[in-house]
Amino acid sequence: DVVMTQTPLSSPVTLGQPASISCRSSQSLVHSNGGTFLSWLHQRPGQPPRLLLYKVSNRFSGVPDRFSGSGAGTDFTLKISRVEAEDVGVYYCMQATHFPQTFGQGTKVEI
Amino acid sequence: EVKLVESGGGLVKPGGSLRLSCEASGFTLSDAWMSWVRQAPGKGLEWVGRIRSKADGATTDYPAPVEGRFTVSRDDSANTLYLQMNSLKSEDTAVYYCTTDWSGNYQFDLWGQGTLVSVS
Repeated sequence: DVVMTQTPLSSPVTLGQPASISCRSSQSLVHSNGGTFLSWLHQRPGQPPRLLLYKVSNRFSGVPDRFSGSGAGTDFTLKISRVEAEDVGVYYCMQATHFPQTFGQGTKVEI
Repeated sequence: EVKLVESGGGLVKPGGSLRLSCEASGFTLSDAWMSWVRQAPGKGLEWVGRIRSKADGATTDYPAPVEGRFTVSRDDSANTLYLQMNSLKSEDTAVYYCTTDWSGNYQFDLWGQGTLVSVS
């Protein structure tokens, strides 16, 4: 299985300041069809996860534009331009290029 | 309102069985690819199975840890998704979420609140 490794595992942030999370995969996430199926999800305490970004950099409906994604191949990054209080929780990267789809271990973001 | 509501979790002994349900509202379940994802207490997310839409053959996929023990199925008349879990082990203890799978370019855009399964 493809191993997804996130860094850091914990990230203390300051309101209004930027934050960044890295995700590295054990294999290239470029699919044979040319797509790169790397997503980011956010889980607030006591809530189910919610989709933030898909195919590396596409924001899902309703996701604020302070969230952005970048990367290619095996290295990806989620950036929050200015952290807000509602952004606390755990962020997961996930790959669906290779079977089975796998998640990173999660990065806890706290103020 | 588009919604998923899971039920059926509880305490079960090792080796036992349990069937989880996920009732969908606001959309037709048979038109969607659907998955189950679990989260052990204090841990990360793990995908445990999917069923394709009726149009795509309603076939299923499972990862190795649950292959042969878990079965995803659907009752189209009840608009309900199921996860049948057999030969349960302590490591299957988790909150189980149902979620929409591939919808065009993305997955996992709609989640239920989850149901807790404890194997002990």
